[in-house]
Amino acid sequence: DTGVSQDPRHKITKRGQNVTFRCDPISEHNRLYWYRQTLGQGPEFLTYFQNEAQLEKSRLLSDRFSAERPKGSFSTLEIQRTEQGDSAMYLCASSSSPDTQYFGPGTRLTVL
Amino acid sequence: DAKTTQPPSMDCAEGRAANLPCNHSTISGNEYVYWYRQIHSQGPQYIIHGLKNNETNEMASLIITEDRKSSTLILPHATLRDTAVYYCIVRVGGTSGSRLTFGEGTQLTVNP
Repeated sequence: DTGVSQDPRHKITKRGQNVTFRCDPISEHNRLYWYRQTLGQGPEFLTYFQNEAQLEKSRLLSDRFSAERPKGSFSTLEIQRTEQGDSAMYLCASSSSPDTQYFGPGTRLTVL
Repeated sequence: DAKTTQPPSMDCAEGRAANLPCNHSTISGNEYVYWYRQIHSQGPQYIIHGLKNNETNEMASLIITEDRKSSTLILPHATLRDTAVYYCIVRVGGTSGSRLTFGEGTQLTVNP
């Protein structure tokens, strides 16, 4: 257990529905990252927050994706109008320095 | 970030040293070599990183060649719990963004 928690751990939804995931980082960490991982591939970067500011977004983060970190603590990742291609593991990581990121267990999304 | 090349899979006997190679021939002078691993169904876990000197911590040793074009992660006494996908990542250290760019990694299987 790294101290980063994610909720839910599993989510099954129907195509077209909206889903929201939550990440609680290690409390003193000001940096928070979201990644997506599909089967057999390494994680792909989605977005990065420093405190409450979203400083970096991947082109993978389409208009249907939005991430927030309203008070610089927990973060949410919302996917609107889900598609089957959104099925993946969504990983959150936090850090206090750029060198070491601590990953949560992930949320596995299945879109039917 | 420089591209890395790793063998897709390796086997190791329990109790023996596991030596995982990584080629990064286009590495720049300010880029560090990072190693993470991902045990099945868990988030990635930081192992070690280095710039040009060899590094050792409680988990592993990192040997970087003098020209910095390749490196080797050494697990000195592999156990069954070391079975995981190992990712070699090269990126500029100490930057504010600090996304990790994962490749496909090496699946290490430790056999009893």
